Amino acid sequence: DVKVTQSSRYLVKRTGEKVFLECVQDMDHENMFWYRQDPGLGLRLIYFSYDVKMKEKGDIPEGYSVSREKKERFSLILESASTNQTSMYLCASRRLLRPDTEAFFGQGTRLTVV
Amino acid sequence: DAKTTQPTSMDCAEGRAANLPCNHSTISGNEYVYWYRQIHSQGPQYIIHGLKNNETNEMASLIITEDRKSSTLILPHATLRDTAVYYCIVRAPTGANNLFFGTGTRLTVIP
Repeated sequence: DVKVTQSSRYLVKRTGEKVFLECVQDMDHENMFWYRQDPGLGLRLIYFSYDVKMKEKGDIPEGYSVSREKKERFSLILESASTNQTSMYLCASRRLLRPDTEAFFGQGTRLTVV
Repeated sequence: DAKTTQPTSMDCAEGRAANLPCNHSTISGNEYVYWYRQIHSQGPQYIIHGLKNNETNEMASLIITEDRKSSTLILPHATLRDTAVYYCIVRAPTGANNLFFGTGTRLTVIP
């Protein structure tokens, strides 16, 4: 059974903290994605990566960075957390060379910044 | 990637077919239509995708009009567990790898 695993379901962090959200996939997928989801706004792409050490900005990269040191792991970093980064964060992965196949999502991390 | 338009919400009686429409009038010839759903507090789950022909799998059927400007996802016998937000996505197999989800249709299956 394929799996995308996010390290935490719920996180509470203080304003100004550096926050790491971890995502691991076991499907040997090249593409990995980080989204945030807010009520009424759907899923918005923050960053994606199509290979180790490669990254591309999505629609809302400001305030975030990412790291892809290994193929199976894609980390989202909030350098200095702010209250407007309180959200549900979703990681996904997808095979690169089979563009007609689907993306697989993790269960999400609900981050609250206080 | 082509923009999609979906109704904000729909209701369906349990056991009946749920038909969820999606308009994608600017779709290009090489763009696929994907459907995902998101049950409350979970990550989105892939349902089905297609290019031109109608498709069916164990979860649903996808009907794409001949001009490909719209499609319908059909859940043949809706259950309470099908209550979710359903997203229609259109994208090309090449180019940007991101998936634009929009706000989807909230389907409520009523007992």
